[in-house]
Amino acid sequence: SAVISQKPSRDICQRGTSLTIQCQVDSQVTMMFWYRQQPGQSLTLIATANQGSEATYESGFVIDKFPISRPNLTFSTLTVSNMSPEDSSIYLCSVQGQGGFGISYEQYFGPGTRLTVT
Amino acid sequence: GEDVEQSLFLSVREGDSSVINCTYTDSSSTYLYWYKQEPGAGLQLLTYIFSNMDMKQDQRLTVLLNKKDKHLSLRIADTQTGDSAIYFCAERVSYGQNFVFGPGTRLSVLP
Repeated sequence: SAVISQKPSRDICQRGTSLTIQCQVDSQVTMMFWYRQQPGQSLTLIATANQGSEATYESGFVIDKFPISRPNLTFSTLTVSNMSPEDSSIYLCSVQGQGGFGISYEQYFGPGTRLTVT
Repeated sequence: GEDVEQSLFLSVREGDSSVINCTYTDSSSTYLYWYKQEPGAGLQLLTYIFSNMDMKQDQRLTVLLNKKDKHLSLRIADTQTGDSAIYFCAERVSYGQNFVFGPGTRLSVLP
Protein backbone atom coordinates (compact mmCIF):
# COMPACT_ATOMS: atom_id res chain seq x y z
CA SER A 1 0.00 0.00 0.00
CA ALA A 2 1.03 3.61 -0.46
CA VAL A 3 1.61 5.94 2.48
CA ILE A 4 0.46 9.47 1.78
CA SER A 5 1.08 12.56 3.87
CA GLN A 6 -0.41 16.00 3.46
CA LYS A 7 0.58 19.41 4.77
CA PRO A 8 -0.94 21.30 6.41
CA SER A 9 -3.39 19.02 8.18
CA ARG A 10 -5.67 21.97 8.80
CA ASP A 11 -5.71 25.73 8.39
CA ILE A 12 -7.93 28.71 8.94
CA CYS A 13 -7.52 31.32 6.22
CA GLN A 14 -8.82 34.75 5.46
CA ARG A 15 -11.11 35.41 2.53
CA GLY A 16 -9.19 36.46 -0.59
CA THR A 17 -5.95 34.70 0.31
CA SER A 18 -4.47 31.52 -1.19
CA LEU A 19 -3.33 28.28 0.40
CA THR A 20 -1.03 25.65 -1.08
CA ILE A 21 -1.53 22.07 0.07
CA GLN A 22 1.30 19.58 -0.30
CA CYS A 23 0.97 15.86 -0.92
CA GLN A 24 3.89 13.46 -0.50
CA VAL A 25 3.80 9.75 -1.37
CA ASP A 26 6.30 7.17 -0.17
CA SER A 27 6.63 5.56 -3.61
CA GLN A 28 6.60 6.66 -7.22
CA VAL A 29 3.13 6.79 -8.72
CA THR A 30 1.94 7.73 -12.15
CA MET A 31 -1.41 9.26 -11.34
CA MET A 32 -2.27 11.52 -8.46
CA PHE A 33 -5.73 12.91 -7.79
CA TRP A 34 -7.09 15.80 -5.78
CA TYR A 35 -10.55 15.53 -4.22
CA ARG A 36 -12.73 17.90 -2.28
CA GLN A 37 -15.10 16.85 0.49
CA GLN A 38 -17.44 19.63 1.50
CA PRO A 39 -18.93 19.52 5.01
CA GLY A 40 -21.21 16.53 5.39
CA GLN A 41 -20.80 15.61 1.73
CA SER A 42 -19.18 12.89 -0.32
CA LEU A 43 -16.00 13.28 -2.34
CA THR A 44 -15.77 15.15 -5.61
CA LEU A 45 -12.79 14.88 -7.94
CA ILE A 46 -11.12 18.22 -8.65
CA ALA A 47 -8.38 17.12 -11.04
CA THR A 48 -5.96 14.42 -12.09
CA ALA A 49 -2.26 15.27 -11.99
CA ASN A 50 0.25 13.35 -14.07
CA GLN A 51 3.94 14.12 -13.91
CA GLY A 52 5.20 15.98 -16.94
CA SER A 53 1.84 17.19 -18.18
CA GLU A 54 -0.81 19.68 -17.23
CA ALA A 55 -3.45 18.59 -14.79
CA THR A 56 -6.83 17.53 -16.13
CA TYR A 57 -9.71 19.31 -14.40
CA GLU A 58 -13.22 18.04 -13.87
CA SER A 59 -16.29 19.98 -14.81
CA GLY A 60 -16.79 22.90 -12.44
CA PHE A 61 -13.12 23.24 -11.52
CA VAL A 62 -10.64 25.52 -13.29
CA ILE A 63 -6.89 25.93 -13.24
CA ASP A 64 -7.01 29.60 -12.20
CA LYS A 65 -8.85 28.68 -9.02
CA PHE A 66 -7.06 25.39 -8.28
CA PRO A 67 -3.58 25.42 -9.83
CA ILE A 68 -1.76 22.12 -9.44
CA SER A 69 1.90 21.22 -9.66
CA ARG A 70 3.36 17.75 -10.18
CA PRO A 71 7.12 18.17 -10.28
CA ASN A 72 7.99 14.49 -9.79
CA LEU A 73 6.46 11.07 -9.25
CA THR A 74 6.15 11.38 -5.46
CA PHE A 75 4.89 14.91 -4.91
CA SER A 76 2.09 17.26 -5.87
CA THR A 77 0.62 20.54 -4.68
CA LEU A 78 -2.87 21.98 -4.92
CA THR A 79 -3.41 25.69 -4.44
CA VAL A 80 -6.80 27.07 -3.48
CA SER A 81 -6.74 30.62 -4.81
CA ASN A 82 -8.65 33.74 -3.83
CA MET A 83 -10.53 31.81 -1.18
CA SER A 84 -14.09 32.38 -0.10
CA PRO A 85 -16.07 30.68 2.70
CA GLU A 86 -17.53 28.32 0.08
CA ASP A 87 -14.05 26.80 -0.29
CA SER A 88 -14.19 25.51 3.29
CA SER A 89 -13.74 21.78 2.80
CA ILE A 90 -11.46 18.86 3.34
CA TYR A 91 -9.02 18.49 0.44
CA LEU A 92 -7.68 14.98 -0.12
CA CYS A 93 -4.82 13.73 -2.21
CA SER A 94 -5.17 10.25 -3.69
CA VAL A 95 -2.99 7.83 -5.63
CA GLN A 96 -3.46 4.55 -7.40
CA GLY A 97 -1.36 1.70 -6.11
CA GLN A 98 1.46 0.40 -8.25
CA GLY A 99 1.13 -3.33 -8.67
CA GLY A 100 2.62 -5.81 -11.06
CA PHE A 101 3.13 -4.50 -14.59
CA GLY A 102 2.14 -1.08 -13.27
CA ILE A 103 -1.44 -2.20 -12.77
CA SER A 104 -3.20 -1.91 -9.45
CA TYR A 105 -6.84 -1.68 -8.59
CA GLU A 106 -6.26 -0.13 -5.20
CA GLN A 107 -6.60 3.57 -4.57
CA TYR A 108 -5.33 5.25 -1.45
CA PHE A 109 -6.14 8.57 0.17
CA GLY A 110 -4.14 10.95 2.25
CA PRO A 111 -5.36 12.11 5.65
CA GLY A 112 -6.79 15.29 4.15
CA THR A 113 -6.33 19.01 4.76
CA ARG A 114 -9.21 20.63 6.61
CA LEU A 115 -9.58 24.19 5.35
CA THR A 116 -11.77 26.82 6.97
CA VAL A 117 -12.16 30.18 5.25
CA THR A 118 -13.42 33.08 7.33
CA GLY B 1 -24.35 9.25 -16.12
CA GLU B 2 -22.78 7.54 -13.19
CA ASP B 3 -24.57 7.64 -9.87
CA VAL B 4 -24.00 5.80 -6.61
CA GLU B 5 -26.59 5.75 -3.85
CA GLN B 6 -26.49 4.69 -0.23
CA SER B 7 -28.73 5.06 2.76
CA LEU B 8 -27.35 7.82 4.95
CA PHE B 9 -27.66 6.30 8.42
CA LEU B 10 -27.49 2.89 10.09
CA SER B 11 -27.59 2.03 13.79
CA VAL B 12 -26.76 -1.39 15.19
CA ARG B 13 -26.05 -2.86 18.61
CA GLU B 14 -22.56 -3.93 19.52
CA GLY B 15 -22.04 -7.58 18.61
CA ASP B 16 -24.70 -7.59 15.90
CA SER B 17 -24.00 -7.69 12.17
CA SER B 18 -24.16 -4.51 10.11
CA VAL B 19 -25.20 -4.51 6.47
CA ILE B 20 -24.51 -1.38 4.45
CA ASN B 21 -26.10 -1.25 1.02
CA CYS B 22 -25.13 0.56 -2.16
CA THR B 23 -26.64 0.79 -5.62
CA TYR B 24 -24.95 2.06 -8.75
CA THR B 25 -26.15 2.87 -12.21
CA ASP B 26 -23.19 2.33 -14.54
CA SER B 27 -23.43 -1.22 -15.84
CA SER B 28 -19.88 -1.01 -17.15
CA SER B 29 -18.47 -0.52 -13.65
CA THR B 30 -15.53 -2.83 -13.34
CA TYR B 31 -14.35 -2.31 -9.78
CA LEU B 32 -16.36 -1.48 -6.69
CA TYR B 33 -14.89 -0.32 -3.41
CA TRP B 34 -15.69 0.24 0.23
CA TYR B 35 -13.92 2.96 2.20
CA LYS B 36 -14.16 3.85 5.88
CA GLN B 37 -13.81 7.39 7.19
CA GLU B 38 -13.48 7.94 10.91
CA PRO B 39 -14.13 11.40 12.38
CA GLY B 40 -11.44 13.87 11.37
CA ALA B 41 -9.55 11.26 9.35
CA GLY B 42 -8.96 10.44 5.69
CA LEU B 43 -10.38 7.50 3.80
CA GLN B 44 -9.23 3.99 4.59
CA LEU B 45 -9.57 1.39 1.85
CA LEU B 46 -11.44 -1.55 3.39
CA THR B 47 -11.92 -3.83 0.44
CA TYR B 48 -12.80 -3.95 -3.22
CA ILE B 49 -14.36 -6.42 -5.58
CA PHE B 50 -14.14 -7.04 -9.31
CA SER B 51 -17.38 -7.05 -11.21
CA ASN B 52 -16.89 -10.69 -12.24
CA MET B 53 -17.06 -11.78 -8.60
CA ASP B 54 -20.18 -12.36 -6.50
CA MET B 55 -18.63 -12.35 -3.07
CA LYS B 56 -15.45 -11.50 -1.26
CA GLN B 57 -14.70 -12.21 2.38
CA ASP B 58 -11.95 -10.68 4.48
CA GLN B 59 -12.06 -11.47 8.21
CA ARG B 60 -15.18 -9.72 9.58
CA LEU B 61 -16.03 -8.13 6.24
CA THR B 62 -18.15 -9.75 3.53
CA VAL B 63 -18.87 -8.00 0.25
CA LEU B 64 -21.75 -9.20 -1.90
CA LEU B 65 -22.24 -8.04 -5.48
CA ASN B 66 -25.42 -8.51 -7.48
CA LYS B 67 -24.40 -7.26 -10.88
CA LYS B 68 -27.82 -7.83 -12.41
CA ASP B 69 -29.45 -5.51 -9.87
CA LYS B 70 -26.34 -3.26 -9.62
CA HIS B 71 -26.38 -3.76 -5.87
CA LEU B 72 -23.37 -3.95 -3.57
CA SER B 73 -23.40 -4.65 0.14
CA LEU B 74 -20.88 -4.66 2.96
CA ARG B 75 -21.55 -6.90 5.92
CA ILE B 76 -19.58 -6.35 9.12
CA ALA B 77 -19.82 -9.29 11.50
CA ASP B 78 -19.68 -8.79 15.28
CA THR B 79 -19.82 -5.01 14.95
CA GLN B 80 -17.73 -3.13 17.49
CA THR B 81 -17.76 0.47 18.70
CA GLY B 82 -14.57 1.03 16.71
CA ASP B 83 -16.55 0.34 13.55
CA SER B 84 -18.51 3.57 14.05
CA ALA B 85 -17.63 5.67 11.01
CA ILE B 86 -18.88 6.78 7.62
CA TYR B 87 -18.68 4.08 4.96
CA PHE B 88 -18.38 5.11 1.33
CA CYS B 89 -19.19 2.92 -1.63
CA ALA B 90 -17.35 3.86 -4.84
CA GLU B 91 -17.29 2.60 -8.41
CA ARG B 92 -14.67 2.84 -11.09
CA VAL B 93 -15.41 2.04 -14.68
CA SER B 94 -11.91 1.10 -15.74
CA TYR B 95 -8.29 1.39 -14.67
CA GLY B 96 -7.05 4.93 -14.62
CA GLN B 97 -10.50 6.46 -14.40
CA ASN B 98 -11.67 8.46 -11.46
CA PHE B 99 -14.02 7.18 -8.83
CA VAL B 100 -17.65 8.00 -8.34
CA PHE B 101 -18.45 8.00 -4.64
CA GLY B 102 -21.73 7.45 -2.90
CA PRO B 103 -22.90 9.92 -0.24
CA GLY B 104 -21.67 7.71 2.59
CA THR B 105 -23.51 5.75 5.28
CA ARG B 106 -22.96 6.86 8.86
CA LEU B 107 -22.79 3.72 11.02
CA SER B 108 -23.48 4.15 14.71
CA VAL B 109 -22.75 1.25 17.02
CA LEU B 110 -24.78 1.30 20.22
CA PRO B 111 -23.53 -0.39 23.40
